[in-house]
Amino acid sequence: EVVLTQSPGTLSLSPGERATLSCRASQSVTNDYLAWYQHKPGQAPRLLVYGASSRVFGIPDRFSGSGSGTDFTLTISRLEPEDFAVYICHQYGSSPLTFGAGAKVEIK
Amino acid sequence: QVQLQESGPGLGKPSEALSLTCAVSGGSISSGYWSWFRQPPGKGLEWIGNIQFSGATHYNPSLRSRVSMSVDASNNQFSLRLNSVTAADTAVYYCARGSGWLGASWGQGTLVTVSS
Repeated sequence: EVVLTQSPGTLSLSPGERATLSCRASQSVTNDYLAWYQHKPGQAPRLLVYGASSRVFGIPDRFSGSGSGTDFTLTISRLEPEDFAVYICHQYGSSPLTFGAGAKVEIK
Repeated sequence: QVQLQESGPGLGKPSEALSLTCAVSGGSISSGYWSWFRQPPGKGLEWIGNIQFSGATHYNPSLRSRVSMSVDASNNQFSLRLNSVTAADTAVYYCARGSGWLGASWGQGTLVTVSS
């Protein structure tokens, strides 16, 4: 089973600042099938990035994913008020599919 | 745009079975993968499994002995059954439309509490 470790657990930033979230896998993610979700309380998780770096249609270009193998990053270039949420990485390259514990981006 | 809505009893009893349904609107269930996930209170997301219209299923090995999924094409919905539930199965359960195995569009989730 691929274990995903996200860091930091919480990021305290101000609107307009840059957020950099890390996701490290315990073994190489098959085909770099690594996705990022945004999750707000009481809402459905929202897919932002798939295949490590492909942004979903309609997701603002301030969100970008990068990385390969075991190290992946989600960058939010300039935080907007609606971006404060939990971000979760997810590997879907091998069974069982697994998720990181999530990283909370909170308003400083 | 496909929308998904989970439904089922909010409360389940230990040792009994839990059944949830996911209604799909805005698209047909006749193609692709349809998935279930869950998130226990204060914990991370967990993949339960997925099903294709053909009936082919893939389950998380940790739950395989207790899980079954089915598709109801006539009602454009799919279902999850989890047997022999315990308090550890208390969670928000989500259904999702897959892009391959990736959960692309998710429902809002439904909380299921297992308690006597």
